[in-house]
Amino acid sequence: QKEVEQDPGPLSVPEGAIVSLNCTYSNSAFQYFMWYRQYSRKGPELLMYTYSSGNKEDGRFTAQVDKSSKYISLFIRDSQPSDSATYLCAKGEITQGGSEKLVFGKGTKLTVNP
Amino acid sequence: DAGVTQSPTHLIKTRGQHVTLRCSPISGHKSVSWYQQVLGQGPQFIFQYYEKEERGRGNFPDRFSARQFPNYSSELNVNALLLGDSALYLCASSLFTAAPIYGYTFGSGTRLTVV
Repeated sequence: QKEVEQDPGPLSVPEGAIVSLNCTYSNSAFQYFMWYRQYSRKGPELLMYTYSSGNKEDGRFTAQVDKSSKYISLFIRDSQPSDSATYLCAKGEITQGGSEKLVFGKGTKLTVNP
Repeated sequence: DAGVTQSPTHLIKTRGQHVTLRCSPISGHKSVSWYQQVLGQGPQFIFQYYEKEERGRGNFPDRFSARQFPNYSSELNVNALLLGDSALYLCASSLFTAAPIYGYTFGSGTRLTVV
C-alpha cells in the first residue's frame, strides 16, 4: 500500500463551483500534512499545512485532516479558472535520524472552466 | 528576491551517460532537498542536505549522489543513466529542516530526458 493515496482525476468543474480534493494516508508516526499546487512546467507551491485533526482555513481554501480515518481533504470555494492546476497532498515525516521528507500523492489535475 | 534556481531547465542525455543538476537555494536557506517527479506521479524524495551534510536519503540506487557547497548551493549527480531516470528533478530549499514552520520552496525543476 502506498503511503499517500490520491485520486489522480482529472477533475473538471465550472467556475464558481466548490471543489473537494481528497487523500488517504498510511503509517501513523508523528507527521504533518500539506497541500501543494503545481502549475504546468513549474515546481510545487505550498498552499497550506496542518499538524492536527480539524479544519484550517485560508481565504477560499480549507484543509481538513481526520487522523482517526487517515483522511486529508482540501476544499476550494468559488473556484476560479486560475485555480486550474495539479494539486498534490503530502505527508511530512521527521525520522529518528533527523532527516525530513515529504511523501506526496500522485496529484489531482483540476480544470476550472469559465 | 530570487527564488530557488535550477539549471539547466532541460536536458537530453543518452543511456549510460552521467548528468549533473544544479540548485541555488533562496538566500539564507541552509537546507536543500532533491525530489524526482516522473510524469503523472507526485515528487519522490531523493536527498536532504543541511549545513553541507547529508541528512536523509530516499529509496534510490547508489547511482544517485549529491553534495552541498559552503554557499549552500547543491548538485545532484546521476551516473549510468537509465531510460527510467527521465523525470522532472526538483530542488527545494528551506531555512532549516523543520519545513512545517519555515516552509519548503521548490524550484521549477530540471526536465531530464534519457534516450
